[in-house]
Order: sequence, then structure tokens, then C-alpha cells
Amino acid sequence: AQSVAQPEDQVNVAEGNPLTVKCTYSVSGNPYLFWYVQYPNRGLQFLLKYITGDNLVKGSYGFEAEFNKSQTSFHLKKPSALVSDSALYFCAVRDVRNTPLVFGKGTRLSVIA
Amino acid sequence: DAGVIQSPRHEVTEMGQEVTLRCKPISGHDYLFWYRQTMMRGLELLIYFNNNVPIDDSGMPEDRFSAKMPNASFSTLKIQPSEPRDSAVYFCASRTTGTSLYEQFFGPGTRLTVL
Repeated sequence: AQSVAQPEDQVNVAEGNPLTVKCTYSVSGNPYLFWYVQYPNRGLQFLLKYITGDNLVKGSYGFEAEFNKSQTSFHLKKPSALVSDSALYFCAVRDVRNTPLVFGKGTRLSVIA
Repeated sequence: DAGVIQSPRHEVTEMGQEVTLRCKPISGHDYLFWYRQTMMRGLELLIYFNNNVPIDDSGMPEDRFSAKMPNASFSTLKIQPSEPRDSAVYFCASRTTGTSLYEQFFGPGTRLTVL
């Protein structure tokens, strides 16, 4: 069975500082990995994905994530945080079959001015 | 494209009443998913369809929940009778296998409150 762990419920970072939101996964076979962001009272919005190829993937709003197969991790990063990045972030995984995404519990990011 | 459309956006009802949530997936998408989001449980997959056929409904919490997809452009999630513990945000999402896109696209959600 597939699963995702987001070990931090909350991440606080000062504006302008780099941010990292952690994600580890478990899946049989090769994973498809995703990050979504949810702003208050909104649906989930796709940020980026890893399917194959370069381990460092770049996405929307300056976010990037690094796929690490040996550590089964897919941490979300941004070099310089903005207050507007404050939101709920979800990591998700599925295997190469056409299965639904399995989501982590989410990490609330708070960027403080 | 208008994206995934859900209605209503908000629903307030009393315990015991029937509730019907509606979803229109993105045109051409052949997968449709229903999720429920609560503070306690996070995002839970309830059921998903492929080409209008239910594939896995193991996430549907009880027989009070049912979902249908009569055609490629419409799906409903029904709760009958509703209970206060059903209060949550219900999301519909869709995806296609026809292109290199792998991600699921989510609707804005329906916030259900059962009094």
C-alpha cells in the first residue's frame, strides 16, 4: 500500500529565509510524487511533480523539490519565502499504475514578515 | 477550460436530511475522484471512477454514502441520512490518462455542515 508521511504539522519561517517542507513516502515500484498547496477556503492547487528524470524538479511560484530514492523523500523547498506562501501544503504519491493519489496529512506553512 | 466544477459551494442541513453534492469534471478526463477533508483525518479518498465505472469505493464510510457517475460530465455524492459527523469539505478531482499530465485537478470543494 502507498503512504505518505509529513512529519511536521507546522513550519514557521521568516520572510526571505529559505524554507523546507518535509515528505517521505512508501510505494511499491517507482513513485509518482506531487506537491499541492491549499489556500484558505480553496481547493488544492498543483505545485509540481516528479515522474522521472532529474531528481530536482521545479514548479510554480519558485518552489522546487528534490527526489531522493535512497531516503524515499521528496522535500519541498524555496530559496526565499514570501508571506504569501503561507498555506497548507500536501505531499502525495501514487505508483505507476492508474491508482489515485494518496495524500499526507498536510503541513501548515507560516511565513512571518 | 473552467476546471472542475462543484456545487453547491456551501451546504447547511439538519441531521437526517438527504444531501447531494455535484461535480462536473474537466472535459476529456476519464478519472473522477471524491475526497473528504476534515481536521482530524486530513484528505480521505472516498471513491473513484474510471470511464464512469466505480473502481474502488472502499473509502466510503457507510452505506449512508453513495456515488454515481451517469455520464462522463457529471457525478453525484449522496448522503442519506446525513449526520453531524459528516460535516467536512468534500472535494471532487479529475485526471486524464490520455496525455503526459499525471496530476489530479481539484474542484473548489463543497463545505457541508450538518446540524
